[in-house]
Amino acid sequence: GAVVSQHPSRVICKSGTSVKIECRSLDFQATTMFWYRQFPKQSLMLMATSNEGSKATYEQGVEKDKFLINHASLTLSTLTVTSAHPEDSSFYICSAVPGTLGENTEAFFGQGTRLTVV
Amino acid sequence: DAKTTQPPSMDCAEGRAANLPCNHSTISGNEYVYWYRQIHSQGPQYIIHGLKNNETNEMASLIITEDRKSSTLILPHATLRDTAVYYCIASDNDYKLSFGAGTTVTVRA
Repeated sequence: GAVVSQHPSRVICKSGTSVKIECRSLDFQATTMFWYRQFPKQSLMLMATSNEGSKATYEQGVEKDKFLINHASLTLSTLTVTSAHPEDSSFYICSAVPGTLGENTEAFFGQGTRLTVV
Repeated sequence: DAKTTQPPSMDCAEGRAANLPCNHSTISGNEYVYWYRQIHSQGPQYIIHGLKNNETNEMASLIITEDRKSSTLILPHATLRDTAVYYCIASDNDYKLSFGAGTTVTVRA
């Protein structure tokens, strides 16, 4: 199946600093990628839709100035957590769908990034 | 997306079939039933999806009732590596997925 890779898999940062997480589709192009967040013992919550060449679309309650998304190419989306605080500690997961949206394929997920803010 | 209801947890024996139920009584005609699973501290993994007909692939079988109000995911021969949280999702698209609480499946030796 198609492969989506996230980097880093784990990161620890100090409060107040920024952290960038990369999401790459390794063997397909994805005009749209998705970013989720998962707190311990909870389910995944969609944060935003990343669109290649245009602005990201954020879900209600997600601060766009805090979670900066850049989708610079058809195989790479980045999520930057700015001025991170301990409450931002979470498991961040991206997904991508090969081909054109609506063609009824499955979404492929990255392995996730565990962010710990100390 | 239509709401889905799954049991919070279930145990099954290694080597036996695991049958995971899901209710989606308000599913609309253009919504598919998707199943994903998430092994601890990993990203979700696609398992199978279907609209009306039963589906089978190398991982599992999906049985959808005729009225489409419920479905069952069948893992034919559960192994310890199948221990995970299994998510049933009803959606009219394959990309913007709403995850519920899922079923925590524990396969025991």
